[in-house]
Amino acid sequence: DGGITQSPKYLFRKEGQNVTLSCEQNLNHDAMYWYRQDPGQGLRLIYYSQIVNDFQKGDIAEGYSVSREKKESFPLTVTSAQKNPTAFYLCASRGRESNSPLHFGNGTRLTVT
Amino acid sequence: KQEVTQIPAALSVPEGENLVLNCSFTDSAIYNLQWFRQDPGKGLTSLLLIQSSQREQTSGRLNASLDKSSGRSTLYIAASQPGDSATYLCAVRGTDKLIFGTGTRLQVFP
Repeated sequence: DGGITQSPKYLFRKEGQNVTLSCEQNLNHDAMYWYRQDPGQGLRLIYYSQIVNDFQKGDIAEGYSVSREKKESFPLTVTSAQKNPTAFYLCASRGRESNSPLHFGNGTRLTVT
Repeated sequence: KQEVTQIPAALSVPEGENLVLNCSFTDSAIYNLQWFRQDPGKGLTSLLLIQSSQREQTSGRLNASLDKSSGRSTLYIAASQPGDSATYLCAVRGTDKLIFGTGTRLQVFP
């Protein structure tokens, strides 16, 4: 079945450590996105990539980094510079057509103590 | 800057009721609007996508409408069931980003 796989589902880290969240898709989608979801807030865009080897900052990119070396993969690194990293992180992808719907993975819940 | 608002924030209804969820947006220059469902601790599942040139889309018991000029969309759920309990989010797409509302948390009780 085609879809988006995020791993792990739960992640625990100590403050000051970098951590990388995995996102893999087999939908052959060009565009991929990372969102952060906090209670009572809408999804906020961290980074997005429309093509391999290219990505752009979203609305809250500070303290995060990404890479897009392969079409299928868009890993997100949460660095120690991110001041409030505990959140639910969602990866999404979309086809090339302008009206393609956005598809989501099941998310990774990151807890930093 | 596009802003998306969903009212009400929470809704509790008995099984069988027809209900309407609202989504409003401030900038009518959109490509499309998408409705999602999110179960607790899960990702978002796409329900309906309405293109900017369309007025409505239907899927089963769901019907979504779009009025670009007034900056509004509604999601109509017919004959609600306990399995419909979830958070419903709308998102509007401008250039290449989707802007999400904060969602309506729906509970349908037997």
